[in-house]
Amino acid sequence: DVKVTQSSRYLVKRTGEKVFLECVQDMDHENMFWYRQDPGLGLRLIYFSYDVKMKEKGDIPEGYSVSREKKERFSLILESASTNQTSMYLCASIRQGTDTQYFGPGTRLTVL
Amino acid sequence: GIQVEQSPPDLILQEGANSTLRCNFSDSVNNLQWFHQNPWGQLINLFYIPSGTKQNGRLSATTVATERYSLLYISSSQTTDSSVYFCAVAQTGANNLFFGTGTRLTVIP
Repeated sequence: DVKVTQSSRYLVKRTGEKVFLECVQDMDHENMFWYRQDPGLGLRLIYFSYDVKMKEKGDIPEGYSVSREKKERFSLILESASTNQTSMYLCASIRQGTDTQYFGPGTRLTVL
Repeated sequence: GIQVEQSPPDLILQEGANSTLRCNFSDSVNNLQWFHQNPWGQLINLFYIPSGTKQNGRLSATTVATERYSLLYISSSQTTDSSVYFCAVAQTGANNLFFGTGTRLTVIP
């Protein structure tokens, strides 16, 4: 079974803090993704990575950065958290050339 | 990116009824997935179906790629089917998914 794990289920941070969200997958997938989910807006892609040290901007990259130093780990970084980044963050991975994207359990981030 | 529209946004059914959820998309795709979101927020794969028809128990899905739509059927609905269902697609040559805003299905006893 593919397993995608995220470091925290719930996280509360203060405005201006630097926040790290970690995602790890155990199936040697090349491609990894970070989405955020907001009511009425569905899921929107923040960043994705198709290989170690490679990254591509998604639809809403502003205010975020990412790091992929190892194949199994993809980190989302909020350099200076703001209240409008309060959201549900979902990580996903997929093997190159295959069909099904697998999701982690999500991290619900609240920025006060 | 691709536009993905799901309908209806909300659906309330009596237990035992059948339901059809629709997903329209604006461009050619090489990947279409149906998910539902569990109460803890995790997206669970239901189908990978860029074209054709698949069935899994009481759930089935059909995608007509040439007409850019997909349908998810739930037969003999149960209260445990209550969830938000998402359709997501990826353009040919890409892996990143574009999501619809979901259909919230509520099945009442």
